[in-house]
Amino acid sequence: GQQVMQIPQYQHVQEGEDFTTYCNSSTTLSNIQWYKQRPGGHPVFLIQLVKSGEVKKQKRLTFQFGEAKKNSSLHITATQTTDVGTYFCLIGFQKLVFGTGTRLLVSP
Amino acid sequence: DTEVTQTPKHLVMGMTNKKSLKCEQHMGHRAMYWYKQKAKKPPELMFVYSYEKLSINESVPSRFSPECPNSSLLNLHLHALQPEDSALYLCASSQEAAGGFETQYFGPGTRLLVL
Repeated sequence: GQQVMQIPQYQHVQEGEDFTTYCNSSTTLSNIQWYKQRPGGHPVFLIQLVKSGEVKKQKRLTFQFGEAKKNSSLHITATQTTDVGTYFCLIGFQKLVFGTGTRLLVSP
Repeated sequence: DTEVTQTPKHLVMGMTNKKSLKCEQHMGHRAMYWYKQKAKKPPELMFVYSYEKLSINESVPSRFSPECPNSSLLNLHLHALQPEDSALYLCASSQEAAGGFETQYFGPGTRLLVL
């Protein structure tokens, strides 16, 4: 079935460092969503990207949709301990499929 | 109110038991979802209800039986589960499912352990 790979699987950073996770699809997407799941919590919607090459910012978070609409990235500038969690992309091509996720650990 | 509630928070059941998970939302959403999430894995879609009708069943075994009594409530009936069914069961809702890919609001989940 449809597989949506995210890299890296896991990243451990020092507070203040930047972080990026990438979401790659084997098919061209109509749109993509990003969610954050804190440890022991549930997924929380962050953003939806629709247009080719789209870039959206939310404070320290920058989301990008690839020109070919097959990949997306989430970049966090100057991480904080509150950024800890797993970041998932979600695609809705034919069926709803979450990416494999990137687990972020931030040390103070 | 942007909350989705789920009960119970935790559930331990034997393989011969029958139990139900409940989910409720009061946002006027017309699409509701059940996901299963194993530890360190992404959520996997199980069922989607749209306007109280089952619109998607992702080939889920019949020991899981969903029910949508009204637009605010979603149940998942469990019977004769296996230990490998132990997982976090997440409910979500969105405004509509048909023809769209919408923001989903997730409940806190039910942690299920099958012994």
